[in-house]
Amino acid sequence: GEQVEQRPPHLSVREGDSAVITCTYTDPNSYYFFWYKQEPGASLQLLMKVFSSTEINEGQGFTVLLNKKDKRLSLNLTAAHPGDSAAYFCAVRHTGYQNFYFGKGTSLTVIP
Amino acid sequence: EAAVTQSPRSKVAVTGGKVTLSCHQTNNHDYMYWYRQDTGHGLRLIHYSYVADSTEKGDIPDGYKASRPSQENFSLILELASLSQTAVYFCASSPDRVNSDYTFGSGTRLLVI
Repeated sequence: GEQVEQRPPHLSVREGDSAVITCTYTDPNSYYFFWYKQEPGASLQLLMKVFSSTEINEGQGFTVLLNKKDKRLSLNLTAAHPGDSAAYFCAVRHTGYQNFYFGKGTSLTVIP
Repeated sequence: EAAVTQSPRSKVAVTGGKVTLSCHQTNNHDYMYWYRQDTGHGLRLIHYSYVADSTEKGDIPDGYKASRPSQENFSLILELASLSQTAVYFCASSPDRVNSDYTFGSGTRLLVI
């Protein structure tokens, strides 16, 4: 079955620095990719969803890159601020299959 | 506003007791899911359902049952709670489209003592 590896498990950066979180997956049928943010004690909120046809996706303060050749998905927070401190999870879904495969998460701390 | 509501928000249960976690969605979504979250393991799928009166096993179904009496409601049942079932449980829903994301509930913190 699908294996989703997320790195690093913990990340600490200073305010204004960039933070990069990476997920690798194994199944070439993976087509839909999602990033979720979970603040302490809260639920998971969708940050961005990415389709296999799009390699670069930009959000507010972050960029998501998809490298299909290497089966790698990355979340790059540019100029991180303390409000970005949270856990981040990637999720992968195959074509024709409804369930997600989640990475184990990255706990990000942004130091003021 | 479309939502997924879980109850209770937290619960303390005794080992060997029965626990029922409830989930209600107003999204008109076909799919509903139960996940547990443990530190270092991320989210793992316990049970899911794509239609009322039918449930499917996820990746870690042992020790859990599920019930979907209607499109809106999905319950997770621990018949004999064990210490290892201490975790945070999330319910989620999604429409029947593979390009759709999940809408998560706020979670239930379960402590089994």
